[in-house]
Amino acid sequence: ELILTQSPGTLSLSPGERATLSCRASQSVSSYYLGWYQQKPGQAPRLLMNGASTRATGIPDRFSGSGSGTDFSLTISRLEPEDFAVYYCQHFGFSLSKFTFGPGTKVEIK
Amino acid sequence: EVQLVESGGGFVLPGGSLRLSCAASGFTFSVYSMNWVRQAPGKGLEWVSYITSDINTIYYADSVEGRFTITRDNVEGSVFLQMHSLRDEDTAVYYCARSTEGKLDYWGQGTLVTVS
Repeated sequence: ELILTQSPGTLSLSPGERATLSCRASQSVSSYYLGWYQQKPGQAPRLLMNGASTRATGIPDRFSGSGSGTDFSLTISRLEPEDFAVYYCQHFGFSLSKFTFGPGTKVEIK
Repeated sequence: EVQLVESGGGFVLPGGSLRLSCAASGFTFSVYSMNWVRQAPGKGLEWVSYITSDINTIYYADSVEGRFTITRDNVEGSVFLQMHSLRDEDTAVYYCARSTEGKLDYWGQGTLVTVS
């Protein structure tokens, strides 16, 4: 069973600061199937990144992703007020026949 | 514009059944895989089920295997989730989501299912 662990659980930062979120997989996974999602209160999740480092349509370039194997990260270069939200990493495994989500990282205003 | 609109949520007693629907528009529904993902109150995202465009492949999370059934109607442009033997822990907002190459690229706004 694949387990995705995200850290930190909560990140308290000010607008303009840099945010770095981590996603660690319990086994090596294909970065092609690694995605990141943003969810704001009362809203559905929104795809941010796919293939670990490819921004989805309409996602600003202050968001970037990287990683391979078991360690992946999402970086927000300069936090805007609208970026304070919960971020989830996700992997799809054909061999596992399922989608797996991490527990999420909340980025809150300090 | 891609739109996914869920319906069918509500209150149900433990052990009961409910059928969720998701109406799709703004894209060629018949060529995309579809999913249901849920979120219990105050909790994270949990993937529930997946169905390919041709209905040949269906997956379920272990937590719902044998109780939930995903189906789709490519003519109508809808995907469904039939839920039986509902438990307290099935209480959640249920989202319908389109998938392609392992990513969930469009989501509906969700429908709330309360088992109590």
